Amino acid sequence: KNQVEQSPQSLIILEGKNCTLQCNYTVSPFSNLRWYKQDTGRGPVSLTIMTFSENTKSNGRYTATLDADTKQSSLHITASQLSDSASYICVVISGGSNYKLTFGKGTLLTVNP
Amino acid sequence: DVKVTQSSRYLVKRTGEKVFLECVQDMDHENMFWYRQDPGLGLRLIYFSYDVKMKEKGDIPEGYSVSREKKERFSLILESASTNQTSMYLCASSQGAGGSNQPQHFGDGTRLSIL
Repeated sequence: KNQVEQSPQSLIILEGKNCTLQCNYTVSPFSNLRWYKQDTGRGPVSLTIMTFSENTKSNGRYTATLDADTKQSSLHITASQLSDSASYICVVISGGSNYKLTFGKGTLLTVNP
Repeated sequence: DVKVTQSSRYLVKRTGEKVFLECVQDMDHENMFWYRQDPGLGLRLIYFSYDVKMKEKGDIPEGYSVSREKKERFSLILESASTNQTSMYLCASSQGAGGSNQPQHFGDGTRLSIL
């Protein structure tokens, strides 16, 4: 069964600090992995998409890594801001013509002043 | 920018009512999706459509149906609403070309309460 596990479930950090969110998956065959940011009361917004051959991708202060061998991904946030407070969702897409998305349950990040 | 618009942000209905949730996208995307999001469960796929008048069941289609008469509009229908359908409903769209590498663009959701 395809599964995506995210950790931690929630995290509180101080503004300006860095943090790393984890995503472990058992999805086959693997096509790509995405990180989404979901602000409270809003829909998810795509941060990064990584294919099998990519092991790092950045979007401003967000850097995602992918280790396809160990089936792990991380999202690193640098110099956090209050606006980074949100839920971060890892999504793994299995390949083929009938591709399927498997969602993690998300990590709720709170950035305090 | 892609815009996915859901007709209502908040909706309150009664048990047994037929409920329509509407979603419109403005980027000529082939694929459209309906999810529900519940605390501790994450997003779960209800139905999706990859073309006009086409629909496919997702992981939790029971109690729901969909309609896609025009490319830009995808409707979710609760045939006879029940309290366990109280949830946040999210609509998404994506380009068909490029398949699984295309990002999904989400609306801001409809928070539906069934009393």
